Amino acid sequence: DAGVIQSPRHEVTEMGQEVTLRCKPISGHDYLFWYRQTMMRGLELLIYFNNNVPIDDSGMPEDRFSAKMPNASFSTLKIQPSEPRDSAVYFCASGKTILEAFFGQGTRLTVV
Amino acid sequence: DQQVKQNSPSLSVQEGRISILNCDYTNSMFDYFLWYKKYPAEGPTFLISISSIKDKNEDGRFTVFLNKSAKHLSLHIVPSQPGDSAVYFCAARWAGNQFYFGTGTSLTVIP
Repeated sequence: DAGVIQSPRHEVTEMGQEVTLRCKPISGHDYLFWYRQTMMRGLELLIYFNNNVPIDDSGMPEDRFSAKMPNASFSTLKIQPSEPRDSAVYFCASGKTILEAFFGQGTRLTVV
Repeated sequence: DQQVKQNSPSLSVQEGRISILNCDYTNSMFDYFLWYKKYPAEGPTFLISISSIKDKNEDGRFTVFLNKSAKHLSLHIVPSQPGDSAVYFCAARWAGNQFYFGTGTSLTVIP
């Protein structure tokens, strides 16, 4: 398996634009996680899914953020509208259990 | 408020010596703790974990110690190797399946 695949690897967008980050988890993994990494706050769990169902989204910073998992092989994290403070590296991870996740390489988002 | 804290942003150790990475937490309800390692431009990789009912877990060169009374977690790497140079994150799970991560400690192992 190729591992968790995220796209794009880098995204630069203007403030106010919509941004969509994509993730393909490892086949057979029932859990999918979205994380955000910043210098100030480190790594934060935003939301996770179990069998395509969102279980806990309490880490989502505000209503501008939304995540979907329409099927077992695809998930998106959307920010609309984007703001400069959203600039961070966003990681997607998947796992067979909730405790041991395999991470993608991340998407570096820059909002100018 | 940070519920999981890694107070040392960086650590340098000579090759062959012991690396000790520390992590403090505030919530006594955490029931599981994990360590992740992250190389530049890559996602974090799971390293080792420990349940709150244990005080030690060992896997090869890596040992995690848990001191519940002090709410303190540490990762020992013995012997340290240059390939261990990375950022290490500790994480804790609350029983409600919410995860909290520290801000990371950058370890440099000097050959």
